[in-house]
Amino acid sequence: GIQVEQSPPDLILQEGANSTLRCNFSDSVNNLQWFHQNPWGQLINLFYIPSGTKQNGRLSATTVATERYSLLYISSSQTTDSGVYFCAVNYKGGSEKLVFGKGTKLTVNP
Amino acid sequence: NAGVTQTPKFQVLKTGQSMTLQCAQDMNHEYMSWYRQDPGMGLRLIHYSVGAGITDQGEVPNGYNVSRSTTEDFPLRLLSAAPSQTSVYFCATIRAYEQYFGPGTRLTVT
Repeated sequence: GIQVEQSPPDLILQEGANSTLRCNFSDSVNNLQWFHQNPWGQLINLFYIPSGTKQNGRLSATTVATERYSLLYISSSQTTDSGVYFCAVNYKGGSEKLVFGKGTKLTVNP
Repeated sequence: NAGVTQTPKFQVLKTGQSMTLQCAQDMNHEYMSWYRQDPGMGLRLIHYSVGAGITDQGEVPNGYNVSRSTTEDFPLRLLSAAPSQTSVYFCATIRAYEQYFGPGTRLTVT
């Protein structure tokens, strides 16, 4: 099956710093989403981005489908950005079944 | 509009007991799914449904049953709980390729 690898596994930042999270996937996909799981366990949609670039406030994401990777940028990080960030993809031509990476745990210190 | 709701929030079972995790959505979405999340891992798909009366297996279906008699509800049944089923369970719906998750049920099997 398709493999999804996220890096780094852990990231510790000071408030105000910028960061880049990476997601590599092993096959062509027609769906890629980024999620944030907050410290209370809630999963929140950040981006649906099978290709191209999107921005939402301090967060932006870029997916280069032909090279099988996606990047999530967090600028001017805040303590509320802490949590785990997941990348999830599904197979090109398959059904709407998401395969998740293991996530990047982000800790933003004040 | 409550979105996706799950009950109970927490549950402790003894090995061999059965129970049903409830999931309901009020968004009239056709697609619903169940995932489990184990420590240090991303979510893994258990079962999914593309509409009332239609279900299919995901990545880790063993030990779980589902049915979909209405668009709104998608219960997950554990027939004979095992300690390996200790996990956090998330229900999700999908609209326009984006998945929306419920708050989760934390299940412990002793």
